[in-house]
Amino acid sequence: DTVLTQSPALAVSPGERVSISCRASEGVNSYMHWYQQKPGQQPKLLIYKASNLASGVPARFSGSGSGTDFTLTIDPVEADDTATYFCQQSWNDPYTFGAGTKLELK
Amino acid sequence: QVQLKESGPGLVQPSQTLSLTCTVSGFSLTSYNVHWVRQPPGKGLEWMGRMRYNGDTSYNSALKSRLSISRDTSKNQVFLKMNSLQTDDTGTYYCTRDGLLRRGYFDYWGQGVMVTVSS
Repeated sequence: DTVLTQSPALAVSPGERVSISCRASEGVNSYMHWYQQKPGQQPKLLIYKASNLASGVPARFSGSGSGTDFTLTIDPVEADDTATYFCQQSWNDPYTFGAGTKLELK
Repeated sequence: QVQLKESGPGLVQPSQTLSLTCTVSGFSLTSYNVHWVRQPPGKGLEWMGRMRYNGDTSYNSALKSRLSISRDTSKNQVFLKMNSLQTDDTGTYYCTRDGLLRRGYFDYWGQGVMVTVSS
């Protein structure tokens, strides 16, 4: 299975820029997607196919990368962005998710 | 508007079978793929399997021997059955919709149903 590795946690101040990384154990082309999950809620799609902003998602969110290395960037970070962020690949079966990066605000 | 809603028992005994229903509205099961994803408490997400728009199914190989996904298009429902449940099957089970281009990203999610495996 394709393993997706994310940093466990990050802490940033509101107004700053933050980059969350996801590294795949094998190539996934551009089929990497990002989700935001707040406690007690279902995940919400932010970015699909590496760099495409999902409908209704603020332009503060952006994605980049291809192959094995991908990044979700939030600029500027707002207080409401406190959440866990998951990457997910759909190039290889089975689809897999990263373990999540918990974003905290200072 | 697009909606997915999971339903099923909150408590299942070990070794028993889990049966969940995903009822959808706002789109057709013959046009979109529907997937099941689960999440143990406090942990990450696991893709379980999918019902394709054409009725074909695919499963995570780790669960394939225990898992079955089916549908009733007349009722706009997708079903999950998983047997031989153990305590590590405890978690929230979500049904999700694949985007229109069927590229494997999930644009709509149900609220999830919490399933506890315990005697």
